[in-house]
Amino acid sequence: SAVISQKPSRDICQRGTSLTIQCQVDSQVTMMFWYRQQPGQSLTLIATANQGSEATYESGFVIDKFPISRPNLTFSTLTVSNMSPEDSSIYLCSVVVGKDTEAFFGQGTRLTVV
Amino acid sequence: GDSVTQMEGPVTLSEEAFLTINCTYTATGYPSLFWYVQYPGEGLQLLLKATKADDKGSNKGFEATYRKETTSFHLEKGSVQVSDSAVYFCALRRGAQKLVFGQGTRLTINP
Repeated sequence: SAVISQKPSRDICQRGTSLTIQCQVDSQVTMMFWYRQQPGQSLTLIATANQGSEATYESGFVIDKFPISRPNLTFSTLTVSNMSPEDSSIYLCSVVVGKDTEAFFGQGTRLTVV
Repeated sequence: GDSVTQMEGPVTLSEEAFLTINCTYTATGYPSLFWYVQYPGEGLQLLLKATKADDKGSNKGFEATYRKETTSFHLEKGSVQVSDSAVYFCALRRGAQKLVFGQGTRLTINP
């Protein structure tokens, strides 16, 4: 299993600013993922954070808007840049420990952009 | 590509009622299947999983059986409680690939 600490748990931000979300895992993991959950919606994968290389982004998400860092096997950050009200969502960090095991999730960061 | 379809919500039941939330999937190969639960204001927690055909996952009175012939993984509970009120997500994963989620089903249990 894995225990994930995600910070901040919530924030209210002004449009045009940026917010960096941190994800700390209690063990070394190969795969870390960042998801967005818009109000009342399911989870959408933003990108896979790879240690030692650039993140892999899903269709519709770009590095300029959502830069990701992965400096080691236990930590990652997601930045939401130049925010607009449409970025108001819950952002979740997730890790997978083994090939056929479940994914573990952080508590999420509830972002409101005003 | 891979996809998961859940029954439309919201679902409202009385306490002690029987619960079924339907989930069907489309995927190549043999995915692992999961049910996650999201309580109000919290992140996702794994509820149960099944990794091969005919496996039954179970936890907290919830059950789901991996049915390859019908490509389904329906969630059931014999007697729901108010504390089961949450959003339930069905998901699949093939090997080291990403999780693919259904749209979620909001469940409300009234006392």
